Amino acid sequence: DTTVKQNPRYKLARVGKPVNLICSQTMNHDTMYWYQKKPNQAPKLLLFYYDKILNREADTFEKFQSSRPNNSFCSLYIGSAGLEYSAMYLCASSGTDSGNTLYFGEGSRLIVV
Amino acid sequence: QEKVQQSPESLIVPEGAMVSLNCSFSDSASQSIWWYQQHPGKGPKALISIFSNGNKKEGRLTVYLNRASLHVSLHIKDSQPSDSAVYLCAVRGRGSALGRLHFGAGTQLIVIP
Repeated sequence: DTTVKQNPRYKLARVGKPVNLICSQTMNHDTMYWYQKKPNQAPKLLLFYYDKILNREADTFEKFQSSRPNNSFCSLYIGSAGLEYSAMYLCASSGTDSGNTLYFGEGSRLIVV
Repeated sequence: QEKVQQSPESLIVPEGAMVSLNCSFSDSASQSIWWYQQHPGKGPKALISIFSNGNKKEGRLTVYLNRASLHVSLHIKDSQPSDSAVYLCAVRGRGSALGRLHFGAGTQLIVIP
């Protein structure tokens, strides 16, 4: 089973409110990623966990938080949503046994109003 | 940071046509190049990857990598309506940890029956 599941699939949030997106995988992959995808733009890596170690990209360091309570789950947290956070958020996982192929979920579409 | 550019932005072809998609990247020492396919409402799915200069064939897909010209192309033989999707080029940069990938913005392919 090469499934990555994301919840919720759709989220409507008010400006200034928090947003929490959830991702799970059952492939025992050691690495989980969060990408942000806006229309006509490349997916942008926000952060990734290798095992329990969080790596955040320099230009998104303060905007997004994440947690990984166990190997299967990873969350993406926005403390105060702004209009610019409206996007598709894609979760992916990879492992050494998958040849570093990224397996993506179907995404969580966030609209901030 | 690795820069990935894809062309064309969109492409419409009749069923059975040969499709050629292009991708340029900025670092000749990039470790590997991947092509992902994304259907509407779905997450990206890995199609084929290449590590060494030259070409690689899998079924109807052929990928060509030329590190000297910083160019990689994906060719789809005998295109089918089910091939209609966005195709994303992704590059694993020199020294990038794990499966960390830099993506292009994608090419929208439409195959008309």
